[in-house]
Amino acid sequence: QVQLQESGPGLVEPSETLSLTCTVSGASISSYYWSWIRQSPGKGLEWIGYIYYSESPNYNPSLKSRVAISTDTSNRQFSLHLSSMTAADTAVYYCVRGGKWYDFWGQGRLVTVSS
Amino acid sequence: QSVLTQPPSVSAAPGQQVTISCSGSSSNIGNDYAFWYQQLPGTAPKLLIYDNNKRPSGIPDRFSGSKSGTSATLDITGLQTGDEADYYCGTWDNSLSVGVFGGGTKLTVL
Repeated sequence: QVQLQESGPGLVEPSETLSLTCTVSGASISSYYWSWIRQSPGKGLEWIGYIYYSESPNYNPSLKSRVAISTDTSNRQFSLHLSSMTAADTAVYYCVRGGKWYDFWGQGRLVTVSS
Repeated sequence: QSVLTQPPSVSAAPGQQVTISCSGSSSNIGNDYAFWYQQLPGTAPKLLIYDNNKRPSGIPDRFSGSKSGTSATLDITGLQTGDEADYYCGTWDNSLSVGVFGGGTKLTVL
């Protein structure tokens, strides 16, 4: 059974960088695409980007200047870094398996941007 | 403003059937597969339909999907109160080079 679990801070100050990690079990990090998707409170889904371990990541152009996704195959993890956080970045952040469609999702991590 | 257009809400009685539409363009649904996700209240989305009309293991055949041109459709038959959820369509947009979703449709089973 494939399982994904997000970890990281639930509160980030404005202008700071968000760092989230997704730990994967039941699947090899090096065999699939992995993505981050977020959902603002009461809103729809927004794709942030994906990574395949041997390729350059692909990012949403609207976030490209602020986002970085990386993998750590030895620890079965992949990570999201989003800089210059503002209130508009307050959302539930999901790590998911897949690049263009998503068959397994983490439970989500609510990240609030506030001082 | 979502790239894919869905009705904000649909409703029907238990046992009835409902259809949820998803309208896109030639750069997304018209050029790639459509996918559907179900988000029950307070939970993460779950894959419901992939490759336009395929169901992952464990998804009942009451849920079916189709695609025609630049639009996709999700049909749910034999509605149950447990089907009350938000439903999202999604695909890849080749012009924008991004994953795109509809704004979501809230299903109410009256």
